[in-house]
Parts: sequence; C-alpha cells; structure tokens
Amino acid sequence: NAGVTQTPKFQVLKTGQSMTLQCAQDMNHEYMSWYRQDPGMGLRLIHYSVGAGITDQGEVPNGYNVSRSTTEDFPLRLLSAAPSQTSVYFCASSGTGSKKFYNEQFFGPGTRLTVL
Amino acid sequence: ELKVEQNPLFLSMQEGKNYTIYCNYSTTSDRLYWYRQDPGKSLESLFVLLSNGAVKQEGRLMASLDTKARLSTLHITAAVHDLSATYFCAVDVDSNYQLIWGAGTKLIIKP
Repeated sequence: NAGVTQTPKFQVLKTGQSMTLQCAQDMNHEYMSWYRQDPGMGLRLIHYSVGAGITDQGEVPNGYNVSRSTTEDFPLRLLSAAPSQTSVYFCASSGTGSKKFYNEQFFGPGTRLTVL
Repeated sequence: ELKVEQNPLFLSMQEGKNYTIYCNYSTTSDRLYWYRQDPGKSLESLFVLLSNGAVKQEGRLMASLDTKARLSTLHITAAVHDLSATYFCAVDVDSNYQLIWGAGTKLIIKP
C-alpha cells in the first residue's frame, strides 16, 4: 500500500509555463484534494473531488485546473505559472469506500514548486 | 464564517516541561483531527477525535475534545526535543468532505 503519492518532488518553472502535478492514491478513497502551503499561511484548499467525474473549487482555485477521470488519480494543472504560485503543494485523500465514517485525510509527500 | 483558531501559534519550551495547545472552532462538530508536520515534510495524522469527551493518548501527547465548548486540547507531558514540530488541528463540518484547518502551532523544544 503506497498511500498517496505525488510527482514530481521538486519543480522549477519560468513564468508563463504550464505543468501538471500528479497525485495518486491506492486506498480506494472517494475524496481527494489539493492544498497549497505557504509560510505563515497554513493550508489553503485549491480544488477537491468527492468522486470520479466530480470536482469543485476550494478557497484559492484561480490559476489551477483539476480533473478526476479515475478514483485513483487527481492531477493539478497550472495553466500559466506565476511567481505567486511558488509554494509547497500537498495532495490528500480520505474516505472509507461507500461508508463514510469519518474524514481523516492522508497526505502525499508534497511538491515544492518555484516559479521564476 | 467557519473558523478554527489555534493558540499559541508559536511556542518555545524547555525539555521536561508540560504545556497545552488549544484549538477553538466556531461551528458545531463532533469530529476533530490533530496532525503533525516536521520541517520540510508532509502532514502526519496524530489523533482522530470522534465524540464529545473523546480522549486519545500517544506517548507524551494527549488530545481531548469538548464539543459543547467547541474546544480541543493537545497536551504535552514532559516534553522532549523530538516533539519539536508544527501541530495542526482540523475540524470536520460534516456537510462534505472538507476539513477546516487551524493555522498551526510551531513548537520548539529546547534541551
């Protein structure tokens, strides 16, 4: 059981470039989310998904797109990178199959993104 | 507005001392989670509190939940350096899968 995996671990982009951060989980969790963490700002929710084919915006969605074609994968796309998107990005998942008892979220290792 | 407030946000303490981190929240909920984050690392689940009066303990850490007061505490007993980390609480509001997060408490324990 690998849990939640993220790639890449580190990435440097130039302003205006696009890229996709990958996230996968092997726990059959229905809920997946993307957060960004900036110094002194805690965790901020970017987008989330409650199941395959269903996504919604979180607190800070501008400049990011997501899709959820399978239960396992939830990629985050940066459309045109900006220096303000320099951050650490975490993917998380939760759920217990069809029965939601509680919502303990499991986090991936994170992607450190720098936009120059 | 749903809010989760942690205090203190920063705590520097000596080894061997006891201290408590507080997590107050503004909405009705009976599910609260504590996480630990080491510098440069991801978040790791510490405690899951699922009802009023719930108490969980792991080593020198003990977490409790008072849903009537909308308050959770994370108590550190006889602190050791290895407990230095940032601790987050998060509240489950039950309307969807989202959690509402506190800002985190950075704990530094000096030898």
